[in-house]
Amino acid sequence: GDSVTQMEGPVTLSEEAFLTINCTYTATGYPSLFWYVQYPGEGLQLLLKATKADDKGSNKGFEATYRKETTSFHLEKGSVQVSDSAVYFCALSDIGSGGYNKLIFGAGTRLAVHP
Amino acid sequence: GAGVSQSPRYKVAKRGQDVALRCDPISGHVSLFWYQQALGQGPEFLTYFQNEAQLDKSGLPSDRFFAERPEGSVSTLKIQRTQQEDSAVYLCASSLRGRELSYNEQFFGPGTRLTVL
Repeated sequence: GDSVTQMEGPVTLSEEAFLTINCTYTATGYPSLFWYVQYPGEGLQLLLKATKADDKGSNKGFEATYRKETTSFHLEKGSVQVSDSAVYFCALSDIGSGGYNKLIFGAGTRLAVHP
Repeated sequence: GAGVSQSPRYKVAKRGQDVALRCDPISGHVSLFWYQQALGQGPEFLTYFQNEAQLDKSGLPSDRFFAERPEGSVSTLKIQRTQQEDSAVYLCASSLRGRELSYNEQFFGPGTRLTVL
């Protein structure tokens, strides 16, 4: 079945450092890919998405490019802030015969940014 | 406007007790999903409703888990005879439309943290 694998955390960075969180996926069809973020005490929020190969999703300085050839969707940010400290989840969604899309998540990567 | 709300936010149950977890989706949202998130893991799909119809319950881990959405709005996830392995955060998500040809964003609630002693 479909699955998502992302790098284990925690990832600890200093403020203004460059961030990469790796994500690879396995899917039989042509899924949409997502990054969700979970801040402490809050619900999951969609950070960015890409719906087809070579699409780049971007939001709040974060970027990820849908790479079909390497089945990857790595999250990057050029300069992290303390406020970016959270758990980041890579996910995919593939519309099945039912015409709806349930999300399949990776295990999450905790990011801690220090001043 | 109001987002997805869930209640209670925290629930402690003794093993063998029944629990009921409530989800209030965004008004007018057709689709509703339940996910289970074990400690240190990503959410895993449990079940899906389109209006009041439960179209997919393939993720429910056992027949002790039951979900309903009788009027196509509020949903309740019920767990009978809780076990320690049921301890997790239960997330509800809603999306605007039902059948789709492309991605339809899911909006998540804050979750209910269930601890079974």
